[in-house]
Amino acid sequence: GAGVSQSPRYKVAKRGQDVALRCDPISGHVSLFWYQQALGQGPEFLTYFQNEAQLDKSGLPSDRFFAERPEGSVSTLKIQRTQQEDSAVYLCASSLEDRGRGSYEQYFGPGTRLTVT
Amino acid sequence: AQSVAQPEDQVNVAEGNPLTVKCTYSVSGNPYLFWYVQYPNRGLQFLLKYITGDNLVKGSYGFEAEFNKSQTSFHLKKPSALVSDSALYFCAVRVGGGYNKLIFGAGTRLAVHP
Repeated sequence: GAGVSQSPRYKVAKRGQDVALRCDPISGHVSLFWYQQALGQGPEFLTYFQNEAQLDKSGLPSDRFFAERPEGSVSTLKIQRTQQEDSAVYLCASSLEDRGRGSYEQYFGPGTRLTVT
Repeated sequence: AQSVAQPEDQVNVAEGNPLTVKCTYSVSGNPYLFWYVQYPNRGLQFLLKYITGDNLVKGSYGFEAEFNKSQTSFHLKKPSALVSDSALYFCAVRVGGGYNKLIFGAGTRLAVHP
């Protein structure tokens, strides 16, 4: 079946511009996560949705970062007034979260590489 | 604070030899542990997980990992390495009790030489 898809795959933004990154999770996955991966580092958690509810946004680095998942499926990560330190790969993941089957693994999309110039 | 450590930046192995990629963790409560692999310009691919039960878990592409509670380790292993296994490997931990995010290690680059 189809995996997690993200668009665009690459985005170049001038400092100060707003950007929107899209994530289409695996159909039926209730949980959706956003991570930020800087060059040469492991992914770092940004935010988590269960269906349309944003249950954890503790990883968002500033109030310039905003995420939504209005219908419990597609999610958008928006970054306002981009700064150079926002340059990174933004990964989206979804999970079935089936406790009965112990299905807690997260499935990742290919990521969006954001470069702020 | 919860954390994951991957003490080796890079592991070099000859094709056909066994490989081990190390991971240790620090969490409160029972850990849920995962290994992911990342190829260039690709997202992370799930390899295997430990939730409960047998300490030795088997995953994709012939990989396995051993959970050791006393040593707080979850090392990734494969009996015979392939050149195509060369990639970046990440260990991750999820803490139960409603905290669903993954905490990742810094990654270990595996290089398998012909």
